[in-house]
Amino acid sequence: GENVEQHPSTLSVQEGDSAVIKCTYSDSASNYFPWYKQELGKRPQLIIDIRSNVGEKKDQRIAVTLNKTAKHFSLHITETQPEDSAVYFCAASYEAAGNKLTFGGGTRVLVKP
Amino acid sequence: EAQVTQNPRYLITVTGKKLTVTCSQNMNHEYMSWYRQDPGLGLRQIYYSMNVEVTDKGDVPEGYKVSRKEKRNFPLILESPSPNQTSLYFCATWGAGRRSGYTFGSGTRLTVV
Repeated sequence: GENVEQHPSTLSVQEGDSAVIKCTYSDSASNYFPWYKQELGKRPQLIIDIRSNVGEKKDQRIAVTLNKTAKHFSLHITETQPEDSAVYFCAASYEAAGNKLTFGGGTRVLVKP
Repeated sequence: EAQVTQNPRYLITVTGKKLTVTCSQNMNHEYMSWYRQDPGLGLRQIYYSMNVEVTDKGDVPEGYKVSRKEKRNFPLILESPSPNQTSLYFCATWGAGRRSGYTFGSGTRLTVV
């Protein structure tokens, strides 16, 4: 089955700096790669996703890149703000197979004012 | 309002005492799934259901049961809970053909003593 590795496990950045989280996946059939943000005590919420037919997607201060050949994808957060502090999860799935998501281990991001 | 409702939010129980965590959705989603979240391990899938009366094991099904007798409900049953099932549990749904990712319930924090 699919295996997703996520790095780093913790990330501390100064407010205004950029943050980058990297994930690798094992199953070349995977074609859907979402990112979830989980604030303390809350449920994970989808913040951005990318499908295998594109290499990059942006939404305001966040962007995701995908390298299908290398089987890795990354989340980029620019101009970080204190409210970006949370745990971020990457995930991968093969959408036609009922969208079973396999998650990475999570990255705890702390943005210091 | 689209919702995935889990109950209870918090539960402390003793080893061996059967319990059920309920999950109900009002979005008419076909796909429902249970995940457990443990520090450093991310979210791991326990069971999933593609539709009514169709269920299958995820990555960590041991010690759990599920049922899907109607579309909106997907209860998680622990017949004989053990301390290693102490975890944070999330129910998630996804609508086939919808490109909006998983919707998670609010979570159930279970402690087995």
